[in-house]
Amino acid sequence: EVQLVESGGGLVEPGGSLRLSCVASGFTFSSYSMTWVRQAPGKGLEWVSSISSRGYEYYADSVRGRFIISRDNADNSLHLQMNGLRGDDTAVYYCATVEQGRSDYWGQGTLVTVSS
Amino acid sequence: SYVLTQPPSVSVAPGKTATITCGANNIGSISVHWYQRRPGQAPVLVVHDDSDRPSGIPDRFSGSNSGNTATLTISRVEAGDEADYYCQVWDSSTDHVLFGGGTKLTVL
Repeated sequence: EVQLVESGGGLVEPGGSLRLSCVASGFTFSSYSMTWVRQAPGKGLEWVSSISSRGYEYYADSVRGRFIISRDNADNSLHLQMNGLRGDDTAVYYCATVEQGRSDYWGQGTLVTVSS
Repeated sequence: SYVLTQPPSVSVAPGKTATITCGANNIGSISVHWYQRRPGQAPVLVVHDDSDRPSGIPDRFSGSNSGNTATLTISRVEAGDEADYYCQVWDSSTDHVLFGGGTKLTVL
């Protein structure tokens, strides 16, 4: 059974940093591209960043230069380092698999709240 | 940049058919995926590559894609289908993932 478990969310002040993690199991993690998608309160799904199986990184314009995606295939984990956080980064952050442009499997999400 | 346009809301009576559209210039030339998101739950892929269903998704869910409009059709709608639905594509020119704004399906 495929499982994706996110962690690392919480309350942070504007300008602060947070590191999200996603631990994967039930599939060959190293073979898959992975992605982070977020949903702000009352808003729709928004793609944040993706990383290919080879480590190529892609970012939405709204987070480029502030967020860094990474992966550790040795321990089946995906990370999102978030710096310079702003109020509009407040959202539930989901990690998901990527295969042929679609996301078959999603975690349950972790809530990030940016507020003073 | 490429924009996916969905109606904010669709309402349908139980047992009837719901149609949710996703509009964009020449969307018919690329693959479209659809997700269901119930409140408090993670998104679930219900249709991929325009019209394919993942295992476990009822055949009441179907999709099509042509010209400037992709469509998710839910037949014999049930109360449990009430959720937000999102279309999604991959923009190969930018390597970006794009989501539509989402459509709230209300079962009357």
